[in-house]
Amino acid sequence: QKEVEQNSGPLSVPEGAIASLNCTYSDRGSQSFFWYRQYSGKSPELIMFIYSNGDKEDGRFTAQLNKASQYVSLLIRDSQPSDSATYLCAVGQDFNKFYFGSGTKLNVKP
Amino acid sequence: SQTIHQWPATLVQPVGSPLSLECTVEGTSNPNLYWYRQAAGRGLQLLFYSVGIGQISSEVPQNLSASRPQDRQFILSSKKLLLSDSGFYLCAWMNSGNTIYFGEGSWLTVV
Repeated sequence: QKEVEQNSGPLSVPEGAIASLNCTYSDRGSQSFFWYRQYSGKSPELIMFIYSNGDKEDGRFTAQLNKASQYVSLLIRDSQPSDSATYLCAVGQDFNKFYFGSGTKLNVKP
Repeated sequence: SQTIHQWPATLVQPVGSPLSLECTVEGTSNPNLYWYRQAAGRGLQLLFYSVGIGQISSEVPQNLSASRPQDRQFILSSKKLLLSDSGFYLCAWMNSGNTIYFGEGSWLTVV
């Protein structure tokens, strides 16, 4: 399977800080990029997707994509304890197949 | 609105026994359907995907198989389970916006 790499963490940030999560992918032909949040024992939930280079903002979340560097990131502003979860990066190819990284565990400390 | 269901939610099976996990999607037609597996503390591994009835693509050779007997039904099977088959199995569907959404998942423990 195509490689999608994430730092496993845990990444610890204080409440109210910005959390920065990173992901790299190996296939230059990748076309779509996603961030999912997964609470322990639950299925992943979509946070946001990005298709084009640059930034995309949705509330407290900003996704950043740099196709030249094969890099996608997620910024979480004003982090809350409820944001503590594992964040999965996913990469889509041919709009049919989606490959996931192993996830970064985020801990937001009150 | 669209919903996806999978069952059973939890099962414990002995080594060598068969497996059948079922997934159905409501509120859409001809969706792409997916089976993923997540081993303990690991990422999601794409097992199978289907773009239509009877059309199955396998990503990883293993003792699992998938079938799509109806448009909105996707089944994951095994004739003889291995210990290494334990994990969290997730069915997913893709919407018209090329985004995938997951079912609740099925926890399989092979003993």
